[in-house]
Amino acid sequence: QKEVEQDPGPLSVPEGAIVSLNCTYSNSAFQYFMWYRQYSRKGPELLMYTYSSGNKEDGRFTAQVDKSSKYISLFIRDSQPSDSATYLCAMSVPPGTYKYIFGTGTRLKVLA
Amino acid sequence: GAVVSQHPSWVICKSGTSVKIECRSLDFQATTMFWYRQFPKQSLMLMATSNEGSKATYEQGVEKDKFLINHASLTLSTLTVTSAHPEDSSFYICSARGTSGKGGNEQFFGPGTRLTVL
Repeated sequence: QKEVEQDPGPLSVPEGAIVSLNCTYSNSAFQYFMWYRQYSRKGPELLMYTYSSGNKEDGRFTAQVDKSSKYISLFIRDSQPSDSATYLCAMSVPPGTYKYIFGTGTRLKVLA
Repeated sequence: GAVVSQHPSWVICKSGTSVKIECRSLDFQATTMFWYRQFPKQSLMLMATSNEGSKATYEQGVEKDKFLINHASLTLSTLTVTSAHPEDSSFYICSARGTSGKGGNEQFFGPGTRLTVL
């Protein structure tokens, strides 16, 4: 079993839809949870960074962490074609090397 | 967010040659830099972690003599792929982490370097 599981998609939604992206994990020691967006042939861009459980909102993006279920989500409201990318979740166990464990990424297509 | 650059953005080389990739943190001091490789439609696989002034820590299965990492300053790390072969063709991405302020405890990624070995 992988430490972090993420549905690779692709996920296709119409413009304006609410998108829900999810990851599950097995290591209960994870405390930092990140979401990255990666456009084709580009490096990942940090979208959201959360510590422990709860919600965090930034513009159209909301990140949720449920440590009891070992489940994290990223919601995108009013999705736009420019949101079409691969979304990667990442997790880490501090302190020390701050090594990140990445999910495989979910490819999202927002159709105009 | 903090800015990390990589150079070159793409490189094509002949089998058997060595290739050096640079990773720079432009607006913060990176105490730790990470090197990843990514195959098409796959996630990032950590290759090694390097701390400024010390030897890199390689992940299991990564040949340290083939992938030489140098982190000589707080803003520069280099990855040298020695005696490259076609199976080394991949997308190599670095990330950098600071200690506080800009860079903080988060990892900020460079734009990646696409290596093609003929």
